[in-house]
Order: sequence, then C-alpha cells, then structure tokens
Amino acid sequence: DSGVTQTPKHLITATGQRVTLRCSPRSGDLSVYWYQQSLDQGLQFLIQYYNGEERAKGNILERFSAQQFPDLHSELNLSSLELGDSALYFCASSAGTSGETDTQYFGPGTRLTVL
Amino acid sequence: EDQVTQSPEALRLQEGESSSLNCSYTVSGLRGLFWYRQDPGKGPEFLFTLYSAGEEKEKERLKATLTKKESFLHITAPKPEDSATYLCAVRGSNYKLTFGKGTLLTVNP
Repeated sequence: DSGVTQTPKHLITATGQRVTLRCSPRSGDLSVYWYQQSLDQGLQFLIQYYNGEERAKGNILERFSAQQFPDLHSELNLSSLELGDSALYFCASSAGTSGETDTQYFGPGTRLTVL
Repeated sequence: EDQVTQSPEALRLQEGESSSLNCSYTVSGLRGLFWYRQDPGKGPEFLFTLYSAGEEKEKERLKATLTKKESFLHITAPKPEDSATYLCAVRGSNYKLTFGKGTLLTVNP
C-alpha cells in the first residue's frame, strides 16, 4: 500500500458526460500528479500540482482539468467524454522537493469506461 | 523530447531462469532513472532510482544498473510471484517523468 488513495475504483459513463476523479496523497506529500494509462500509449503524464498550484503540464486535453485543494487532495475533471478517453487514470504523490531524490508513489487507479 | 524504449516487450521465463530487461533512454539532463513494477489493474509500485552511470541497486532477486544510455534490470532465480510488468521511467531537466511501455514478465513454475 503506497498510501495514495483514489476514488472511485471503477467508473462507467456515456459519451458526452462529465466525471470527477479524486485523489488523496500520502501524508506529508505536497505534490500530486495525474497520469493516463491506455493499452497502446502506456503511462502518459497529464498534470502536476504542488501545494495547490499548477506546476507542470503534460499531454492534457483541454476537455480535462484538475485542481488541488487546501487539504492537498486533488480532483481530475474529464468532460465531453469520448470513447477514446476509456483508460486507467492514476494519481501519484511525492514530497515535491524538486530535488533529485523526489520519488513518485502511485495510487491504485480509477478505471474509466466510456460507452 | 525525452524518450524511453524497453525491450523485450514480453519475456517468459521458467522459475529459477535468470535474465535481464533493458531500458534505453534519451534525456536532456538526467535527474534520475526509475524502475517500477505493475501488477494487472494496479498502480505502479516503486522499486529503484538510479542517478549516475555506474550506479547499481539491489532488492531481493532484482538488481538495477545504469549506463549513460541504458539501464538493465537483472532478475536472478525468479519466482512466479515476480510475474508483472516492469516499467522504466526517466526524469529530465524539466523534472517530468517519461515512461517506457514496459516489459511483461511471466515466470512459470
């Protein structure tokens, strides 16, 4: 158990809908990262937050957005969902020191299925 | 752009048959090379971080090594419980992690 929690575990929805994925980082970690994992693309970095502020962006679509709250939990919002958005979504957390020793620990993931 | 290529894509071993997984990378200013283990439907589990060429780290039956262009994950006398996908990632000067697509390891009893 990494100490990172994600809810829900599974999510099934229809095209065009909007969903929210939630992540709680490990105790003491200030950085939260979101990743998408699909069969053909592997793990793709979406976005990073550090202590409530956006720090880095990866291949995140404009239909997707995220935020980190004062209690450091984070939410990833996916809107106007398409079939191709079906994937595993992982949250990771780290101390966020930006130093070379900063290691990311991953949560169990949310499996999103868009029908 | 940072790139990571892992080979082979899949590897099937008999219990006790040692082997190595390869991770080739190109990165602007290496800030760490990471190995993770991922079981089906689960999140990646951190194994090792390597920072400079020549560095080695060990954990039980696993040993990771690093050169300027690649990393190897050596598995000695594997057991069926070592079956998983092994992911390699690099962190470059922008501090983002770039992952390879992984090697699916199956160890048969």
